Order: sequence, then structure tokens, then C-alpha cells
Amino acid sequence: NAGVTQTPKFRVLKTGQSMTLLCAQDMNHEYMYWYRQDPGMGLRLIHYSVGEGTTAKGEVPDGYNVSRLKKQNFLLGLESAAPSQTSVYFCASSFAGNNEQFFGPGTRLTVL
Amino acid sequence: AQRVTQPEKLLSVFKGAPVELKCNYSYSGSPELFWYVQYSRQRLQLLLRHISRESIKGFTADLNKGETSFHLKKPFAQEEDSAMYYCALSGISNYQLIWGAGTKLIIKP
Repeated sequence: NAGVTQTPKFRVLKTGQSMTLLCAQDMNHEYMYWYRQDPGMGLRLIHYSVGEGTTAKGEVPDGYNVSRLKKQNFLLGLESAAPSQTSVYFCASSFAGNNEQFFGPGTRLTVL
Repeated sequence: AQRVTQPEKLLSVFKGAPVELKCNYSYSGSPELFWYVQYSRQRLQLLLRHISRESIKGFTADLNKGETSFHLKKPFAQEEDSAMYYCALSGISNYQLIWGAGTKLIIKP
């Protein structure tokens, strides 16, 4: 089992460009999450999903959109990237909301 | 409001010394608490959760509801314990975890 995978691993964008980060999990988990990790701020939840076809806002949703069309995939979109979105993005999944979360390897995004 | 506080951004101790990483939480109900660890160039992973009452890699953590704390302890630090440690709380919503800012632990040889 691959667990949680993320693509791409690295990306550099110019301000105003758009991109989509893909998260995939093969553990049949219902819950999926997108976080950003910034120095000194720990993990901040961007959006999450409690099942296929559902999404919800987390702590820092502005500037991001998500979709969960298939249970195994959770996409994070940046429609118009800004330098403030320079961060490391982590995807995670879990069987239930208060269960262990399994993390992907992260995507390092730089917005110039 | 639900909140997790890790007061130390950086903790540096010598190999063989005891380690305590502090975690305080704010929550009115019965919380579930977790410690996650991120070793260099590895994924964030669960270290332990309070309901399992396990000792993982020599680490233990006891939930103190009176002091609203869930400190992570190890009696004798090893160099391979160097990592970033996060405390997290599962609260009312049960949909998500509330994360602390993390503590970077450095074990000096």
C-alpha cells in the first residue's frame, strides 16, 4: 500500500498563476485534510472532507478551493497564487475524525 | 475555545538526560489527545495517543485534566529522538484535530 501520496513534490509559481495539488489515499479512509505548515505556526487546516462529495472550510480557507469527487482523491486548488501562499502543504487522511491521521510527504510550494 | 499550546518552540538536551515536552490544552469536555512526530525528511506520524496508554520508543504522556496538560516524557533521551513534535486535540466536532505550534527537540551528543 502506498498510503497517502501527494503530487507534485515541489512547485514554483508566479503571482497570479493557478495550480492544483493532488492527494490520493489507498486506505479507504472517509476523512481527508489539507494543511499548510509554516515556520513557528505548526499545522493549520485549510479544508477537509468527511466523505466523497463533501468538503468543509478549516482554519485558513481563503484563497483555496477543494474537491472530493472520488473517495480516494482530495484536490487542493489555488486559483490565483499569492506570495503569502508560499508554504509546505500536507495532505492527511483518517478513518474517522478522531482517529489517527496518516500524512503524505508534503508539497513545497513557492510563489514568487 | 479549543486550543493547544506548546510553550517551547525549541528544546535542546544532552543525550541520556530526561526530556519533557510540554502541552497544555483548553477544552471544556473530555478531550482526546495525541502526540505526533516528524523526523527529518520523514512524514508526520502518530507517536502516541492518551487513550492507548502505551509507551512508544520510550515516550509516555499522561493526561492531567486538573492541569489541562498532556506532557510528553522520556527518561533518557537518545540522539534519534531529535525531531519536531506536535501535540493535538480532538474536541467537540470530532471532524478535525486542533494542533499545537510544535516543539523542535534537539538531542546533543
